[in-house]
Amino acid sequence: EADIYQTPRYLVIGTGKKITLECSQTMGHDKMYWYQQDPGMELHLIHYSYGVNSTEKGDLSSESTVSRIRTEHFPLTLESARPSHTSQYLCASSTGNFFGNEQYFGPGTRLTVT
Amino acid sequence: KNQVEQSPQSLIILEGKNCTLQCNYTVSPFSNLRWYKQDTGRGPVSLTIMTFSENTKSNGRYTATLDADTKQSSLHITASQLSDSASYICVVSDRGSTLGRLYFGRGTQLTVWP
Repeated sequence: EADIYQTPRYLVIGTGKKITLECSQTMGHDKMYWYQQDPGMELHLIHYSYGVNSTEKGDLSSESTVSRIRTEHFPLTLESARPSHTSQYLCASSTGNFFGNEQYFGPGTRLTVT
Repeated sequence: KNQVEQSPQSLIILEGKNCTLQCNYTVSPFSNLRWYKQDTGRGPVSLTIMTFSENTKSNGRYTATLDADTKQSSLHITASQLSDSASYICVVSDRGSTLGRLYFGRGTQLTVWP
């Protein structure tokens, strides 16, 4: 089982609140990713990082921001949550310089904004 | 347009029976194809990976096939078990750039009944 962790697993929060979703991995992987997944739909890449101090936006536009200060830690922040942010957020990590390398996923955070 | 289409959308089978899930893709230039298993409330876990030159790959009771000419892949599950109930996601990576890109299918939701 992959050593990648996400907290919280479930979060219900009111509109306008600031939230941070935590993701950490103990595998020493340089690449990390954030995906958004709605029920019955495909995963969409919203952010990725090549390594420390490197962050890039993914294919799906997102109002969230990320940071990569330590190799093992890749938190995602929403400054002002809205109901449209309700979704499942999956964090992943991998090695190498190719997106097609195996990605190891965390268990996900299910976010509900009321 | 690069796409990954999976069928059926959902499938119900009885424990012990076999089943086959389909994946058609239009991704080009092709690099590799992975099948992931995603249990409810968990992150996806890689089952198999296939490159252009491979046409069959097995992982226990899971056997994946790839026809790169017709751009089709299948995942065959033998002697299904209750624990096989999950979403099975087909993911294709391209080599259109140095890093490549991943294209996700929407998954097939498999339910195994006792």
